[in-house]
Amino acid sequence: DADVTQTPRNRITKTGKRIMLECSQTKGHDRMYWYRQDPGLGLRLIYYSFDVKDINKGEISDGYSVSRQAQAKFSLSLESAIPNQTALYFCATSSMGSNYGYTFGSGTRLTVV
Amino acid sequence: AQTVTQSQPEMSVQEAETVTLSCTYDTSENNYYLFWYKQPPSRQMILVIRQEAYKQQNATENRFSVNFQKAAKSFSLKISDSQLGDTAMYFCAFMNRFGNEKLTFGTGTRLTIIP
Repeated sequence: DADVTQTPRNRITKTGKRIMLECSQTKGHDRMYWYRQDPGLGLRLIYYSFDVKDINKGEISDGYSVSRQAQAKFSLSLESAIPNQTALYFCATSSMGSNYGYTFGSGTRLTVV
Repeated sequence: AQTVTQSQPEMSVQEAETVTLSCTYDTSENNYYLFWYKQPPSRQMILVIRQEAYKQQNATENRFSVNFQKAAKSFSLKISDSQLGDTAMYFCAFMNRFGNEKLTFGTGTRLTIIP
């Protein structure tokens, strides 16, 4: 089983719909992150969480919300999806003080039509 | 805030040749880490190599090596004896050693290895 699991792998949704992307990890890491990847823009941070009670906005949090349901679970919600939220979304984890970067999930490709 | 710049959107090279991908960054910090990630068509993000800023020695991992120039804030990736499996997007990334430890990514370089 993957260390960081994202569901669904691909999703097509309609404008205005609410959608949740889920992430779970077996790494035992305390820190979890949501990134968005767009062509020509690289990966940009949406939200991050250092603990269940610690949620922080990243550089592009507008239109998104998150929930850290447990140490191992971190979900990203789009309350009312719009076409420019079409992107590849990555969940990642790390442990405090780790100098080996992040462990990434396999991504969720979201298309909003 | 830190920024990471990859000025080569696309590159291609013949199989078995050597290719260098460029990355520059801007930071006021002195202690940090730099990374190169590979994203093949499978879209998985794979760590290729990492460099600790307080170490002068350039990191190497088999066919992959970096040229880390701290004063110039440059961090290039050299791939020797390139293979078809090296075809991928490559992202340069920066992380502070202390503090919030967020990864900041460049915009990526799409590398194609030509048979």
